[in-house]
Amino acid sequence: KAGVTQTPRYLIKTRGQQVTLSCSPISGHRSVSWYQQTPGQGLQFLFEYFSETQRNKGNFPGRFSGRQFSNSRSEMNVSTLELGDSALYLCASSLAEGDGYTFGSGTRLTVV
Amino acid sequence: GQSLEQPSEVTAVEGAIVQINCTYQTSGFYGLSWYQQHDGGAPTFLSYNALDGLEETGRFSSFLSRSDSYGYLLLQELQMKDSASYFCAVRDPDDKIIFGKGTRLHILP
Repeated sequence: KAGVTQTPRYLIKTRGQQVTLSCSPISGHRSVSWYQQTPGQGLQFLFEYFSETQRNKGNFPGRFSGRQFSNSRSEMNVSTLELGDSALYLCASSLAEGDGYTFGSGTRLTVV
Repeated sequence: GQSLEQPSEVTAVEGAIVQINCTYQTSGFYGLSWYQQHDGGAPTFLSYNALDGLEETGRFSSFLSRSDSYGYLLLQELQMKDSASYFCAVRDPDDKIIFGKGTRLHILP
């Protein structure tokens, strides 16, 4: 079966710009979560969606937002980019809690 | 706040057994998961402990003790390909997913 697909793989943006990242979960998975991964902070939870509803949100500023569509595809948006937003952004989908999360390969965002 | 503590690095010899611990300071959570991540790759799911006790999946086992706020991942018959970072994770009472900062496992030939 196809895995979790994230696009784009790499992105370079300038401070102050905004960016939209896309995630297509495994077919049949309705739960999608997003994470920011940096060398110093590890994996930080951004938000989770289930059936188009945001289930919960991590401790990130309001510049970080997301949504989920009826086909379970999800997008996250970061506005007014800062240098500190440079990171690997990972998306994961799940069928059920005990099945674990399947991660995409991530989008490497560099803010210059 | 809620947090998971793991050793930052562990070194072991090929063919040996290694245990990676995860202690947590969060009260009430919905199970403990473990993930493996190779350099440049995405995390991959290894195991999930919903209840106290040992779960075994091939060479990997995971253990959870809620009363001790402690869990571990046990890797047996270590292979060079097991060199990676290992993360523990929980869903906390606020329904947020928390990951430990990861343990980098170095395997010596």
